[in-house]
Amino acid sequence: AQSVTQLGSHVSVSEGALVLLRCNYSSSVPPYLFWYVQYPNQGLQLLLKYTSAATLVKGINGFEAEFKKSETSFHLTKPSAHMSDAAEYFCAVITNQAGTALIFGKGTTLSVSS
Amino acid sequence: EAGVTQFPSHSVIEKGQTVTLRCDPISGHDNLYWYRRVMGKEIKFLLHFVKESKQDESGMPNNRFLAERTGGTYSTLKVQPAELEDSGVYFCASSPFTGSSSYNEQFFGPGTRLTVL
Repeated sequence: AQSVTQLGSHVSVSEGALVLLRCNYSSSVPPYLFWYVQYPNQGLQLLLKYTSAATLVKGINGFEAEFKKSETSFHLTKPSAHMSDAAEYFCAVITNQAGTALIFGKGTTLSVSS
Repeated sequence: EAGVTQFPSHSVIEKGQTVTLRCDPISGHDNLYWYRRVMGKEIKFLLHFVKESKQDESGMPNNRFLAERTGGTYSTLKVQPAELEDSGVYFCASSPFTGSSSYNEQFFGPGTRLTVL
């Protein structure tokens, strides 16, 4: 069965610092992996996705993630944090190409201080 | 184009009462999903419609939950009778149907926060 583990329920960084949000997955078949972001009072928005093409995936707002099969990881990074990046971030996995249920991690809340 | 909308945004009810949540997907999206996030836990899948048919309802917690999607447009999720453990945020998502060989991105609504007292 598939699963996702997000390390750290809360991450705090200073404005301009590197953002690193960790995600490890478990899957017996090649996965599709996603990062979603939820800003206050809004729905989940797709940041980026890995669908078996390039292992380094670039998303919106300067975020990127690298799929590492050997480490079963899909960590999310951004070189320089901005105050507007403060939100909750969710890693998710899906293993059926037909768009069935996403399996989510517990989420990581990112705080950015000035 | 309007995104996925959900109504109400918040609902506070007492244990034993009935609540109906509504989701309007993006126009033309055949796939509709319901998810739930209980406080402190991960977002979990409840069920999946393709048009008006239930494709997968393996995540529905028990028979107090009833989901419908008459006519293949909007969907409702009824909880009757509500229990304390039903409190959480209920998300709806939709995606287009483009065939079984491609991944269909799911677009999420803002969620309905349900509090059962």
